[in-house]
Amino acid sequence: EDKVVQSPLSLVVHEGDTVTLNCSYEVTNFRSLLWYKQEKKAPTFLFMLTSSGIEKKSGRLSSILDKKELFSILNITATQTGDSAVYLCAVGWASGTYKYIFGTGTRLKVLA
Amino acid sequence: NAGVTQTPKFQVLKTGQSMTLQCAQDMNHEYMSWYRQDPGMGLRLIHYSVGAGITDQGEVPNGYNVSRSTTEDFPLRLLSAAPSQTSVYFCASSKMGGEQFFGPGTRLTVL
Repeated sequence: EDKVVQSPLSLVVHEGDTVTLNCSYEVTNFRSLLWYKQEKKAPTFLFMLTSSGIEKKSGRLSSILDKKELFSILNITATQTGDSAVYLCAVGWASGTYKYIFGTGTRLKVLA
Repeated sequence: NAGVTQTPKFQVLKTGQSMTLQCAQDMNHEYMSWYRQDPGMGLRLIHYSVGAGITDQGEVPNGYNVSRSTTEDFPLRLLSAAPSQTSVYFCASSKMGGEQFFGPGTRLTVL
């Protein structure tokens, strides 16, 4: 059965801390892994990774994919209260057609 | 460029009623999909479409119908609403294999 598992389920840190969020997957015909941030509304796109070992970076956020070990991490450095959100991982896979499978998300709370 | 729009934002139904959730996008995306989001369950795929006239089932299709007569529109029909369909519904669109853009969501309550 195809699945995407995120850990931890929730995390509480203080401003300035660095956090690492994990996403592991088991899907056939992997095509891409995507990270989204969801505050009390629709998910917003952060990164899409398709190649192993290449880091994507945007400001304090970065992500990397390991296609051999079937996981990705999302790092957030120098966290701010505005980083408080649910972070969702999704895997795109293709078998005749294209689908995305989402993990249940990691809820991050950053305390001032 | 409005992106992905959804209507209504909120809806309350009685058990057994039917309704249609509307979704439209103006980015000429081939791929459109419907998800439901329940507490602790992430986003679960209901139905998706890879182009006008082509739809397929996702993980949780029972109780829902879709059609795709144009590239822009992808309505989701609830045939006979049940309390188990109380959820937040998101529509999304993308180029094939690209990042998905989400609509603002519809919060549905079935009494």
